[in-house]
Amino acid sequence: DAKTTQPPSMDCAEGRAANLPCNHSTISGNEYVYWYRQIHSQGPQYIIHGLKNNETNEMASLIITEDRKSSTLILPHATLRDTAVYYCIVSKPDSWGKLQFGAGTQVVVTP
Amino acid sequence: DTAVSQTPKYLVTQMGNDKSIKCEQNLGHDTMYWYKQDSKKFLKIMFSYNNKELIINETVPNRFSPKSPDKAHLNLHINSLELGDSAVYFCASSQGQGFEKLFFGSGTQLSVL
Repeated sequence: DAKTTQPPSMDCAEGRAANLPCNHSTISGNEYVYWYRQIHSQGPQYIIHGLKNNETNEMASLIITEDRKSSTLILPHATLRDTAVYYCIVSKPDSWGKLQFGAGTQVVVTP
Repeated sequence: DTAVSQTPKYLVTQMGNDKSIKCEQNLGHDTMYWYKQDSKKFLKIMFSYNNKELIINETVPNRFSPKSPDKAHLNLHINSLELGDSAVYFCASSQGQGFEKLFFGSGTQLSVL
């Protein structure tokens, strides 16, 4: 599976949009981009995933560049409860749950 | 109801002991997993089970033996516990090959003294 690169940390003001970048320059054609987050002392939580089109759900939006070498997760209106480590993962659809979690981005939302 | 529940939440034990962690999911999923999060916070898959059959075993020592009595349960038994086994263990489940998303439990903090 392709590796991803994320900034180690970022701060965001409550109520503002949080834009989390991820580089995955070695992604292959059938690999999807997944985002999970882990709030302190909890299990990881799925956020969103996509192949090449932009995706939106009730939690976030995922923007994937046309060459698929990078993506951005957007939390439209960050709240204090969005403080967490956010993981960008690329994985094949037949991976049987084998997700390669990296170090992620520690996002701190401040009042 | 909690979708993926695991017990106990905390487990403190001595080196050499045998312990089990239980996991149950009420989502009707047919695939379950065990993940380990070490002290540096890296999450790594240990096992995948689909319909009670082992699919992935990520070079986990034989001291770790998962048992799936039915699709809703995947327990983790650990023999002869070592200091290096101290970690947080997460159970998870998904439908099929995990393409859509995994649902994780809240974790079991294992401390081996």
